[in-house]
Amino acid sequence: KQEVTQIPAALSVPEGENLVLNCSFTDSAIYNLQWFRQDPGKGLTSLLLIQSSQREQTSGRLNASLDKSSGRSTLYIAASQPGDSATYLCAVSRGSSGDKLTFGTGTRLAVRP
Amino acid sequence: DAGITQSPRHKVTETGTPVTLRCHQTENHRYMYWYRQDPGHGLRLIHYSYGVKDTDKGEVSDGYSVSRSKTEDFLLTLESATSSQTSVYFCAISAGQGGNQPQHFGDGTRLSIL
Repeated sequence: KQEVTQIPAALSVPEGENLVLNCSFTDSAIYNLQWFRQDPGKGLTSLLLIQSSQREQTSGRLNASLDKSSGRSTLYIAASQPGDSATYLCAVSRGSSGDKLTFGTGTRLAVRP
Repeated sequence: DAGITQSPRHKVTETGTPVTLRCHQTENHRYMYWYRQDPGHGLRLIHYSYGVKDTDKGEVSDGYSVSRSKTEDFLLTLESATSSQTSVYFCAISAGQGGNQPQHFGDGTRLSIL
C-alpha cells in the first residue's frame, strides 16, 4: 500500500526566505506526483504536476523535483511571501490506476512579514 | 479557476438520515472524484467516475454510493449517515487519465452528523 509522508508538518519562516518542503513515498511505481496548496476553508489548488518520466517542473517561484528511485520529491519556494502561507500537499498517482491519488497529510507553512 | 460547484457547502444532519452531495462541473471533463478530508488522514478517495454511468470504488467507499447520469454532475449519497462520516468532502475533476492531467478541486462541503 502506497504511503506518502510530508516533513515537516509545520514550518514558520520570515518573509524573503527560500524554503524546501519534502515529500516521500513508499512505492516508486507512480504515474505522476502533484503538489497542491490549500488555504483555510478552501479546496486544493494544483501547483505543479511532475510526470514519472520527468525530473522537475517550474512555475514562477516554485520548483518541484522528483526522484522516483528514492521515493522523494521536494518543493522549493523562492523568496517566500506572506501570501504563500497555506498548507502544501503532495499526492502520487497509483501505478496501475492512472490518476487515483494518494495524499500526504501536508505541511502547514506560515510566512511572517 | 476550474468551474466546479459543490452543494450544499455546509450541512448538519442526524444519524440515520440519507444525505446527497452534489458536484457540478462546467469543464466537460471526463473524470470526476469524491474525496473526504479528515485530520490526521489527509484526503482519501471515496469513489470516482470515468464517464457517464461508469463509476468505481476508492479506498474508503463503505457506506457511500455515487451516480453520474450526466457528464456535468456527480452525486455522492450517504444512504444512512453515521457520525464517522462527519468530514469535509471534496469533489475533483480531471481532463485525462494516465497521469498527464492535474486534478482540480471544488471548495468542499462541510458535513456534520449528530
